[in-house]
Amino acid sequence: DGGITQSPKYLFRKEGQNVTLSCEQNLNHDAMYWYRQDPGQGLRLIYYSQIVNDFQKGDIAEGYSVSREKKESFPLTVTSAQKNPTAFYLCASSSGYSGAYEQYFGPGTRLTVT
Amino acid sequence: EDKVVQSPLSLVVHEGDTVTLNCSYEVTNFRSLLWYKQEKKAPTFLFMLTSSGIEKKSGRLSSILDKKELFSILNITATQTGDSAVYLCAVYLIGNQFYFGTGTSLTVIP
Repeated sequence: DGGITQSPKYLFRKEGQNVTLSCEQNLNHDAMYWYRQDPGQGLRLIYYSQIVNDFQKGDIAEGYSVSREKKESFPLTVTSAQKNPTAFYLCASSSGYSGAYEQYFGPGTRLTVT
Repeated sequence: EDKVVQSPLSLVVHEGDTVTLNCSYEVTNFRSLLWYKQEKKAPTFLFMLTSSGIEKKSGRLSSILDKKELFSILNITATQTGDSAVYLCAVYLIGNQFYFGTGTSLTVIP
């Protein structure tokens, strides 16, 4: 089955610790995205990557870092510099080619930092 | 600054009612507009609209885009409790970036 997997589903961390959220896709998509969703809000873009070894900051990149060493994988690290990291994190991918703009989403990771 | 605004923010209706959700946008490098349904987990794709005036339809849901006035509407007829969800509007920009609105929370009461 083709799709996007995110792990873990729930993650708890203490303040001051870095934490890495996993995102893997087997859709052969070039573009991958990380979003953050807070209660009652839409999705806000953290980082996106159009090809391997390249990524761009979204609207709220401060306190986050990413890497794109493989096409299938786009891990997100929430660093201790992120002031309010508790949120629902969604990873998505799209083919990136003209006429195929639809994004596919993973199931999300709910991060709680205390 | 790119902006996507959805209205209303929330809506409560009775089963069988018809609802219209609105999405207006002010962005540069527009390519298309997408609608998603989110039920406490990952959003699922509903429609993608690229051309003005062409209605997309799927069962009781339909959507249309007006590129001159920069808005889209999503209609749901004969609503059911299973339609209760957050409906997200997103614009797809040149450069492979998606920009989402805050969503409309729809609650359908039996």
